Amino acid sequence: AQSVSQHNHHVILSEAASLELGCNYSYGGTVNLFWYVQYPGQHLQLLLKYFSGDPLVKGIKGFEAEFIKSKFSFNLRKPSVQWSDTAEYFCAVTDSGYSTLTFGKGTMLLVSP
Amino acid sequence: DTEVTQTPKHLVMGMTNKKSLKCEQHMGHRAMYWYKQKAKKPPELMFVYSYEKLSINESVPSRFSPECPNSSLLNLHLHALQPEDSALYLCASSEGGGLVYGYTFGSGTRLTVV
Repeated sequence: AQSVSQHNHHVILSEAASLELGCNYSYGGTVNLFWYVQYPGQHLQLLLKYFSGDPLVKGIKGFEAEFIKSKFSFNLRKPSVQWSDTAEYFCAVTDSGYSTLTFGKGTMLLVSP
Repeated sequence: DTEVTQTPKHLVMGMTNKKSLKCEQHMGHRAMYWYKQKAKKPPELMFVYSYEKLSINESVPSRFSPECPNSSLLNLHLHALQPEDSALYLCASSEGGGLVYGYTFGSGTRLTVV
């Protein structure tokens, strides 16, 4: 079974700082990768996803992620964060033959104005 | 707003009550899911319905009983719950099949068991 590891449980940044959240997965086969965001008191929203093709994926709200197969990683990045990016971020993975998501434990991002 | 609608948004129930959570989607998705999310934790899979048939039950206690009346609806029937069952219950749907094109999550039902 696959597993997902998110390196940081809490990240605190000032506005305009650059963001990188780490995500590693353990599965040797073909995977589909996702980043979800959950704003305080709100539902999970899909930020971006990777299935195949260009390993650099662009998502909503200026986020992007890079799939590095050799490192089993799918790190999330944003060049300049805003206060409104304060939220919990979840990395998730599913293999191509299994239709359920496995979530990482999440990273709480706090952006101070 | 999401395209997956969950009702009610909040529910408080006693340990002897029977209640149901409802989930509806009209995107033509053929796979639907129930997840449970405790505070500051990731969602945990409970049940998967694929083409209206229960395909995965992640060893969930029998006090939780899912039902999929049709391809657009998913219910979760609750009976004799415990206080530790208090959580956010999320419904999700996807296009289904072996390759997942991303899930769409509902806003959740915040359940408190007293």
